[in-house]
Amino acid sequence: DSGVTQTPKHLITATGQRVTLRCSPRSGDLSVYWYQQSLDQGLQFLIQYYNGEERAKGNILERFSAQQFPDLHSELNLSSLELGDSALYFCASSVQGASYTFGSGTRLTVV
Amino acid sequence: GQNIDQPTEMTATEGAIVQINCTYQTSGFNGLFWYQQHAGEAPTFLSYNVLDGLEEKGRFSSFLSRSKGYSYLLLKELQMKDSASYLCAPRGGNKLTFGGGTRVLVKP
Repeated sequence: DSGVTQTPKHLITATGQRVTLRCSPRSGDLSVYWYQQSLDQGLQFLIQYYNGEERAKGNILERFSAQQFPDLHSELNLSSLELGDSALYFCASSVQGASYTFGSGTRLTVV
Repeated sequence: GQNIDQPTEMTATEGAIVQINCTYQTSGFNGLFWYQQHAGEAPTFLSYNVLDGLEEKGRFSSFLSRSKGYSYLLLKELQMKDSASYLCAPRGGNKLTFGGGTRVLVKP
C-alpha cells in the first residue's frame, strides 16, 4: 500500500456520461497530481493541486475538471465521455515535490 | 516546454547489465526521476537525481548531466522480475513530465 488511495479501481460507463474519480493523498502530502495513461502510452500530466489551489496544468481537456478539498482529497471529473477517454487514471501525491507516490489507479472503460 | 527521448524497447539476458538512456529538454529543470512500471500497475519510485553525478542504490544506479540534458538508469544483475517499463521523468517547476518509457524484456 503506497498510502495514496484511489477509488473506484474500475469504472465502466457509456459515451456521453459523466464520472468522478477520487484520490486521497498520503498523510502529510499537500500536492496532488493527476495523470492519464492510455493503452501502451506514456503518462500524460493533466493537473496539479497544492493545498487546495491549482498549481500547474497540462494537456487537460475542457471536458475534464478537478478540485482539491480542504481535507486534501482530490476529485477528477470527466464529462461528455468519449471512447478515447478510456484509460488508466493515476493520482500521485508529494511533499514539496521531493518524491512522488502513485496510487493504484482507476481503470476507466467507456463503451 | 518538455521534450523527453528514451528508447522504446530493450532486451537483455538474466544476470546481465542494461543501460537506459534519456535525453531531455525541460524548462525550469530541477531534478530527474526514474520510475519502474509493470503493465497495468502504478509507477514505483526508483531514483532521483538533482545534482550531476551517479546515485547508486543496490542493483540500480542513475546518472545525471544537467549541462548535456542527459540521464541514464543502469540495471545490474538483471532478474526476470525486472521486466517492466522504465520511465524517465524530468521535473520542470512544479510539473513532473514522463517520457514514453523503455520496455525492458529480460530473457532467461
